[in-house]
Amino acid sequence: DGGITQSPKYLFRKEGQNVTLSCEQNLNHDAMYWYRQDPGQGLRLIYYSQIVNDFQKGDIAEGYSVSREKKESFPLTVTSAQKNPTAFYLCASSIGAGAGANVLTFGAGSRLTVL
Amino acid sequence: DAKTTQPNSMESNEEEPVHLPCNHSTISGTDYIHWYRQLPSQGPEYVIHGLTSNVNNRMASLAIAEDRKSSTLILHRATLRDAAVYYCILRDHTTSGTYKYIFGTGTRLKVLA
Repeated sequence: DGGITQSPKYLFRKEGQNVTLSCEQNLNHDAMYWYRQDPGQGLRLIYYSQIVNDFQKGDIAEGYSVSREKKESFPLTVTSAQKNPTAFYLCASSIGAGAGANVLTFGAGSRLTVL
Repeated sequence: DAKTTQPNSMESNEEEPVHLPCNHSTISGTDYIHWYRQLPSQGPEYVIHGLTSNVNNRMASLAIAEDRKSSTLILHRATLRDAAVYYCILRDHTTSGTYKYIFGTGTRLKVLA
């Protein structure tokens, strides 16, 4: 079945460590997105990518980095510069530019806890 | 940013219809209105989308105002499994020519047995 796979589902990190969250899709979608969700809050956009080898900052990009070397993969690195990284991270994809509706498909999420 | 406004929470009795409103007064002419819902500790799932005309699918109906500045998601018979946070979102065009999707805080729907 086509979909988005995020890993790991749960991750614990010590302060000062970088950690990378994986996001893989087999939907042949061009666009991919990373969102952060804090308890009781909505989703906030971290980074997004419309095509391979290109990505843009979202509303809360500070302390995060991404790469888009392959169409199906959009990993997110939470760096030590991110002051409050404990959150639920969601990856999504959509067909991409030119497709009018561009429905988003989400992964199951990765929950990061900083100890 | 393309902004939507939704009530923080709503309640409904099981088996009754639910109307979830959304205001989007800054919508541009070519933007679709999307609705997603999120169960606890899960990623959001697509519910429905529309451009100008009302839309129906197996999950819900979407009623869009004639001026497109508001819309209403209609769940015809709420069940306990429909208890979730419902998000109404628009595609936001950026100055660089790309676009993104901005989620608000959504409406938390509570369904009473």
